Amino acid sequence: VLTQSPGTLSLSPGDRATLSCRASQSVSNRYLAWYQQKPGQAPRLLISGASSRATGIPDRFSGSGSGTDFTLTISRLEPEDFAVYYCQHYDTSLSLSFGGGTKVEIK
Amino acid sequence: EVQLVESGGGLVKPGGSLRLSCGASGFSFTNAWMSWVRQAPGKGLEWIGRIKSKTDYGTTDHTPVKGRFTISRDDSRNTLYLQMNSLKTEDTAVYYCTTISAYSLDFWGQGALVTVSS
Repeated sequence: VLTQSPGTLSLSPGDRATLSCRASQSVSNRYLAWYQQKPGQAPRLLISGASSRATGIPDRFSGSGSGTDFTLTISRLEPEDFAVYYCQHYDTSLSLSFGGGTKVEIK
Repeated sequence: EVQLVESGGGLVKPGGSLRLSCGASGFSFTNAWMSWVRQAPGKGLEWIGRIKSKTDYGTTDHTPVKGRFTISRDDSRNTLYLQMNSLKTEDTAVYYCTTISAYSLDFWGQGALVTVSS
C-alpha cells in the first residue's frame, strides 16, 4: 500500500514543493514511479526508477528516496505544475498500485 | 510519435457488457506490454491489469476485483482490448490504456468514459 502526503499542498508559483510517498513495506527503487495529472487529461509519467526523469520532463522535477520513503520535489513551481501527482509501485509478480494522490494547488 | 486511442466507451445498463479498444501506433506494439487503468469520477487511479507481449507468452495479470474483466490483444491490428462483463454502477470511470516500460506506465491514451447506469 502506498500512502501519499499531504493530500493537498497549497503553494505559490516559485515555491518549492515536496511530496511524500510512503510504502507499507520496503520496495525496490526500480519499481517506484511518479505521474502528473492535470484536469481533464491523462496522467503523464514524470519519474521512473524513483529518480529518473522521463523524456521531456524539466529538471525542476526530481525524485528521491529508498526503502519505504520516497519524495517528489518540484524545485520552483511553474503555473503549469499545479496538478495532482501520483506515486506508483510495480510488483513484477503480481500487480501495480497507485498512491491516493497529492493535489498541488495555487495558494 | 506514440499514440494510443481508446474507443468503445459509452452508456451501459448494470449487468451489461462492453468492449473497449485501444489502437496503438508509433511503436512496436507486438513487443510491448500493455495495461488498463481506470479512474472513477473525482477519484484516484486504479490499475486493472496487464498483458505481456506474445514473446513473453502473452499472459495476463488482472487484479482480483476485476475477475469480470478480460484483457486481450490483436497484434495484427495493433489493438488492445478490455472486455467488461456484468458491469456495475461502480465501474463508471474513465478507462485508459497504457504501455508498460521499465516498471512504469510510460504512455497513456486520452481515455474512454464508461458510464454504468439504468
